[in-house]
Amino acid sequence: GAVVSQHPSRVICKSGTSVKIECRSLDFQATTMFWYRQFPKQSLMLMATSNEGSKATYEQGVEKDKFLINHASLTLSTLTVTSAHPEDSSFYICSAVAGPPGEQFFGPGTRLTVL
Amino acid sequence: AQSVAQPEDQVNVAEGNPLTVKCTYSVSGNPYLFWYVQYPNRGLQFLLKYITGDNLVKGSYGFEAEFNKSQTSFHLKKPSALVSDSALYFCAVRDMLNDMRFGAGTRLTVKP
Repeated sequence: GAVVSQHPSRVICKSGTSVKIECRSLDFQATTMFWYRQFPKQSLMLMATSNEGSKATYEQGVEKDKFLINHASLTLSTLTVTSAHPEDSSFYICSAVAGPPGEQFFGPGTRLTVL
Repeated sequence: AQSVAQPEDQVNVAEGNPLTVKCTYSVSGNPYLFWYVQYPNRGLQFLLKYITGDNLVKGSYGFEAEFNKSQTSFHLKKPSALVSDSALYFCAVRDMLNDMRFGAGTRLTVKP
């Protein structure tokens, strides 16, 4: 099946710094990628929809200036958490849509810890 | 907009017994239904999906799910649970026009 990778798998940073998370579709092209956030013991919450070559669409309540999304190519989307704070600590998961009927494949997730 | 509900936060079963993890959904049009499993600090692993066809869908690791249109349900089942099945299970639904929406998750604990 289709493979989606995320890098890094785990990152620890100081408050106020920015962190970039990469999501790659390894063996298929994805015009659409999604970014999710998961708090401990909770479900995944959609943050934004990333479309190649256009601006991302953010869900209500997600700050677009804080969570910068760039979908520069058909195999790469990046999420940058700017000026990270401890409350941004979470598990971030991306998914990529492959072909009709648009099945989603999920990355392994990135654990962000902001000190 | 589509939504999915998992009414049980926790399901406990003894090893060897059958297990059921419940899921109900709401969607306009035909639903695409999915089950995923998540182990601690890991991403989602696909178990099975219903797109069309037979209402009983067989998936990975011996799991199966039955699509019931009249009850708008897609319960996950396994005839004989293993301790290694203990994990967090998510039901998800999407239609052709929208992203995937997840249930709150059900923590399955299988005791020896």
